[in-house]
Amino acid sequence: NAGVTQTPKFRVLKTGQSMTLLCAQDMNHEYMYWYRQDPGMGLRLIHYSVGEGTTAKGEVPDGYNVSRLKKQNFLLGLESAAPSQTSVYFCASSYVPDGSIIKNIQYFGAGTRLSVL
Amino acid sequence: RKEVEQDPGPFNVPEGATVAFNCTYSNSASQSFFWYRQDCRKEPKLLMSVYSSGNEDGRFTAQLNRASQYISLLIRDSKLSDSATYLCVALGFSGGYNKLIFGAGTRLAVHP
Repeated sequence: NAGVTQTPKFRVLKTGQSMTLLCAQDMNHEYMYWYRQDPGMGLRLIHYSVGEGTTAKGEVPDGYNVSRLKKQNFLLGLESAAPSQTSVYFCASSYVPDGSIIKNIQYFGAGTRLSVL
Repeated sequence: RKEVEQDPGPFNVPEGATVAFNCTYSNSASQSFFWYRQDCRKEPKLLMSVYSSGNEDGRFTAQLNRASQYISLLIRDSKLSDSATYLCVALGFSGGYNKLIFGAGTRLAVHP
């Protein structure tokens, strides 16, 4: 019953430090996503992946890198954290039932709360 | 203008009330829509999908008006457990990929 698991749940960084957020899914989904959620704004897509070994930029990719070496894992890296990256980060995965992209339903992890001081 | 806009609320309603949220979207090419529910400090969870004119699931009804580019969510007989933020989501296509475009959410508080 794990679904989408994110680690860590909380983290405090100093400006300039680096870290990696891990997302793991056990549903054999092809697609995986990283979002950030800020107060008063909708979730914004950072990067996404349509399969193992592939990644692509989303709406707000600057300052982040990702990797998908295994189908079940999607890593989000911050090389040099900035206060503007203080946010809640959600990972999601999805599949496309019947090959119909309009039925792209996403399942979310519990989130990582990141503060950059 | 935001691609998906919602009234942030909060909507404060008594138990048993009927409440409706509206959501407008700017991309007329959007093909499908979703309502997600997000509890405080939790992840979003899918409530309903809307692929045609509407969808109904128990006390929840979603309606899509493509001509006016809005989606509504109606909750009948509100329960205390319905208190949450409701996210309106449109599936769009831009920058070479399909993407979900999230509204900022409408907060609902149901009181005894």
